[in-house]
Amino acid sequence: QVQLVESGGGVVQPGRSLRLSCEASGFTFSVYGMHWVRQAPGKGLEWVAVIWYDGSNDYYADSVKGRFTISRDNSKNTLYLQMNSLRAEDTAVYYCARDSRELRPGHTMDVWGQGTTVTVSS
Amino acid sequence: DIQMTQSPSSLSASVGDRVTITCRASQIIGSYVNWYQQKPGKAPKLLIYTTFSLQSGVPSRFSGSGSGTEFTLTIGSLQPEDFATYFCQQSYTVPTFGGGTKVEVK
Repeated sequence: QVQLVESGGGVVQPGRSLRLSCEASGFTFSVYGMHWVRQAPGKGLEWVAVIWYDGSNDYYADSVKGRFTISRDNSKNTLYLQMNSLRAEDTAVYYCARDSRELRPGHTMDVWGQGTTVTVSS
Repeated sequence: DIQMTQSPSSLSASVGDRVTITCRASQIIGSYVNWYQQKPGKAPKLLIYTTFSLQSGVPSRFSGSGSGTEFTLTIGSLQPEDFATYFCQQSYTVPTFGGGTKVEVK
């Protein structure tokens, strides 16, 4: 079945780095744009980043621009989020999500992973 | 960025009630609004896309309406499994979400 599985979360000190992964299965990963969305404890959803199906374009929320990088390896059916210069306010559950439209993203997210928790604390 | 203002932030309702949640966009966004349901400890689930369209497998008691800047999610007859938090999201540009509406037991 269609599935996304995140990994790589953990506890990290402020200023350090972490890389999240999202492994896709059950669909043709290489034709879909992909998103990262996060949710701070007890808060709402915050979109983080999107990457085109072929990695040719990416966009970021202002809150992470210049610190986070989204990427993908279509040969491994895997999406990544490289997070640098982490701050306490980056503490959240991070979800990867599939865009519902093939090729150019339409920014509707129809398949979600279970999430991985990132805690930034000294 | 386009801001999505969702109301109310919470509501109390009983099984069988009709429930309406509203989302207002900070600018005209056509019909580019989606609605998600989230239960505690779980990932969000897409319910409705582009204002009106029901995602596959979603019960028909869920419906969406609106255009321009005002959008509504309606649950026609609330069921026990519908107690959850609901989020609107605009897909006109890079996504932004509303603050959420928690539907609680009255």
